[in-house]
This record gives sequence, structure tokens and C-alpha cells, in this order.
Amino acid sequence: QVQLVESGGGVVQPGGSLRLSCSASGFTFSSSGMHWVRQAPGKGLEWVTFILYDGSSKYYADSVKGRFTISRDNSKNTLHLQMNSLRAEDTAVYYCAKAGYTYGPFDSWGQGTLVTVSS
Amino acid sequence: NLMLTQPHSVSESPGKTVTISCTGSSGSIASNYVQWYQQRPGSAPNIVIYEDNQRPSGVPDRFSGSIDSSSNSASLTISGLKTEDEADYYCQSYDSFNWVFGGGTELTVL
Repeated sequence: QVQLVESGGGVVQPGGSLRLSCSASGFTFSSSGMHWVRQAPGKGLEWVTFILYDGSSKYYADSVKGRFTISRDNSKNTLHLQMNSLRAEDTAVYYCAKAGYTYGPFDSWGQGTLVTVSS
Repeated sequence: NLMLTQPHSVSESPGKTVTISCTGSSGSIASNYVQWYQQRPGSAPNIVIYEDNQRPSGVPDRFSGSIDSSSNSASLTISGLKTEDEADYYCQSYDSFNWVFGGGTELTVL
């Protein structure tokens, strides 16, 4: 079965950086688009970024454009999110999610990793 | 930019039927598929409806989805409510390389 396991969350100061990872198994990772979605404490879901199956196209929410970078290593079945210039409003649980198809549903989710931006 | 609006909360009794709406702000909600996700407290979201009205395997047929073009809205209907259905529900769609979620609806079954 599909398994997505996020790691790399933690506490970071405003202006700092953090790199999240998502280890994938149970499906053909190299054929699947992947997303990051976040959820601030007590708030709703917010889409963050998407990467095509081969890494050739990447899309970002306006709130993170220019600060976050999504990447993938298909040889290691791993998705990454490099987060720079972090702000208090980036505090959230970050989920990686598998796309059913490029513009389709988020059909599998990881358990999430918490990022706290605080001094 | 597409925005999806949901009621903040709904409540209903066990065994009854509840419908959660999701209204699109612009264009036609029928232009792109709508999905619905269930999120129980402390857990990751889980898809319950995709492509407007399709159920993933393992989701009970008590869950159904529909689109009403006249009101530019999508709906999630849960019949025969069970206490285990108590959760937050999010609609989601796509618009111009932007994946959009509704604000979420808290369903209370009491």
C-alpha cells in the first residue's frame, strides 16, 4: 500500500531555513506528481507546491513563491521541500501528498511534520 | 483566482442525512473536478470523493458527491450518519496551476 513518511520538521527562528523530506513507498514514485500541503494550527488546508513526476514542472502558491523550492530524487523515492526566509505564518503541519494524476485528486497523504517558526 | 466557500460547521443526529456545500467564487465549478477530504482530529486528510462524485475503494456508499451548475456549487452528502463521521470536511478543486481548498466544514454528529 502507499506509504508517505515526512521528516525534517522542527523549531526554527524567523528568517531561518529548513528542509523537509518525504519518503515514498508502495507505488511507482517516478510516475507520480507530488504535492506539499500545509495546515496552520487550528486552521484549514493550504496547498503549497506541486512537482511533476519527472521534476520538469513546478508550481507554487503565491504565499511561498521565491522562498520555498520543491524537488525530488526519483532514484531514492524521496520528495523534498527547501524552505528559506521562514516567517511566523509558515508555522504549520506540512503534509506530502501523492497526485492521482497531474491536475487530479490528492489520493494519498503522509502523517505530516510540524514546522514551528518562532524566536 | 478561484475561491471555494464552505459553511463553517454543520450538525445532525445519528442516522440522519447531512449535506455540505462548496460554492465557487468565479467561473464555473463544473470546469474542473471537485474532490472532498475527511480529516478526523489529529489525523491526516483522507479522500472520500474524487472527480465530483466518484468514491475511492473502501469509502462507504453513504458518501456521495454532486455538482449544481445553476448555483456554481458542489455538495457532499452523507446519509445514515454515524458518530465516526464526525470530522472536518474539505472540498478541493484546481484552477490555472493552483490547487484550491475550501475553508473546511466541521461536522458534528450528536
